[in-house]
Amino acid sequence: AQKVTQAQTEISVVEKEDVTLDCVYETRDTTYYLFWYKQPPSGELVFLIRRNSFDEQNEISGRYSWNFQKSTSSFNFTITASQVVDSAVYFCALSEANNAGGTSYGKLTFGQGTILTVHP
Amino acid sequence: NAGVTQTPKFQVLKTGQSMTLQCAQDMNHNSMYWYRQDPGMGLRLIYYSASEGTTDKGEVPNGYNVSRLNKREFSLRLESAAPSQTSVYFCASSAIITDTQYFGPGTRLTVL
Repeated sequence: AQKVTQAQTEISVVEKEDVTLDCVYETRDTTYYLFWYKQPPSGELVFLIRRNSFDEQNEISGRYSWNFQKSTSSFNFTITASQVVDSAVYFCALSEANNAGGTSYGKLTFGQGTILTVHP
Repeated sequence: NAGVTQTPKFQVLKTGQSMTLQCAQDMNHNSMYWYRQDPGMGLRLIYYSASEGTTDKGEVPNGYNVSRLNKREFSLRLESAAPSQTSVYFCASSAIITDTQYFGPGTRLTVL
């Protein structure tokens, strides 16, 4: 069975600080996808990034960057120069992509989420 | 292009009442999903439909039924609501089952 762990329940930073959100996953599959979603106070879930298990290149998008390391089963998310608008709950998620009789094929398993508060 | 829409946004039920949550997507996606979100537990999959005409149980299906009415619409029914079903319900869709899922705005359900 697949599992996603976000050990940081809450993080509080001051604006302009860098912050890293940790995500560790477990899966028996060799082919899988990893995701990050943002849930602002308004409640909707906003897709941020999708990575497949064969692509370990780090990704940067503006102030956001992601570090994927298969050796440690981690997919960490860093916000550089944080802003108040970054305050939200952030979810890491995993789906298995190998339809070889596995029960988790295509299903998203979410971590418990990290509440990020950025103070002005 | 509205994406994924859900109705209603809020609902209060009494124990034992029934209701149907509606979900529709206009992205021509094949796969649709229902999740529930409870405090401190992330999102958990209730049911999903990999393609029109198919539905399968997720992690927490007990107490729920679903109907994939057509390619656009996927409804979730609570036959006899219980206080344990108080939650925020999200519908999502994806082009195919392994693709990125896009979520609706959610329905906040309270069962008294």
